[in-house]
Amino acid sequence: DAGVTQSPTHLIKTRGQHVTLRCSPISGHKSVSWYQQVLGQGPQFIFQYYEKEERGRGNFPDRFSARQFPNYSSELNVNALLLGDSALYLCASSFGPYQETQYFGPGTRLLVL
Amino acid sequence: AQSVTQPDIHITVSEGASLELRCNYSYGATPYLFWYVQSPGQGLQLLLKYFSGDTLVQGIKGFEAEFKRSQSSFNLRKPSVHWSDAAEYFCAVGVVPGNQFYFGTGTSLTVIP
Repeated sequence: DAGVTQSPTHLIKTRGQHVTLRCSPISGHKSVSWYQQVLGQGPQFIFQYYEKEERGRGNFPDRFSARQFPNYSSELNVNALLLGDSALYLCASSFGPYQETQYFGPGTRLLVL
Repeated sequence: AQSVTQPDIHITVSEGASLELRCNYSYGATPYLFWYVQSPGQGLQLLLKYFSGDTLVQGIKGFEAEFKRSQSSFNLRKPSVHWSDAAEYFCAVGVVPGNQFYFGTGTSLTVIP
């Protein structure tokens, strides 16, 4: 069975640009969560979606947004990129509405110049 | 505010020695508790989790963790470390109201022959 997949694997953008990151959950999983992991730190929770509705939101500015599609895949959008947005962006999927057991994808490495 | 503290940034142990990684959390009730491992170039892998019941939980790869409510701790242990255990270890807390999820800053484990 395929695990959580994310695309692209790597991305380079410049300040002020917009970026869209994509995630496909494990088949049968209905919840997707997004995390930002800055080098040398633990992941920070950004969003959780379940059945296409936002169920949780971390302490991130409105430049960050996300959505979940009917097939349960998800997109994370970041507008007006800042240098500080450079990080590994992780997606995790779980079956139910709570993040009781999450399975993580390999991440998208974003570099903002 | 909820928080997860991993007081040891880096630990070095000899192969075959025992290991204990510390984790303390700050939350009003008993949250969901997790330990994840992240190897270079690998995604986050769940080692074990605690929701309720027996306070000593067994995980994969020979790891176990003990929940101590009085100390707000969830320390990870392994009786005999293998060289392949070298990685970054993250303690995490899941909070159901609001579906928040918090990671600690991680402990980097080095295993020497």
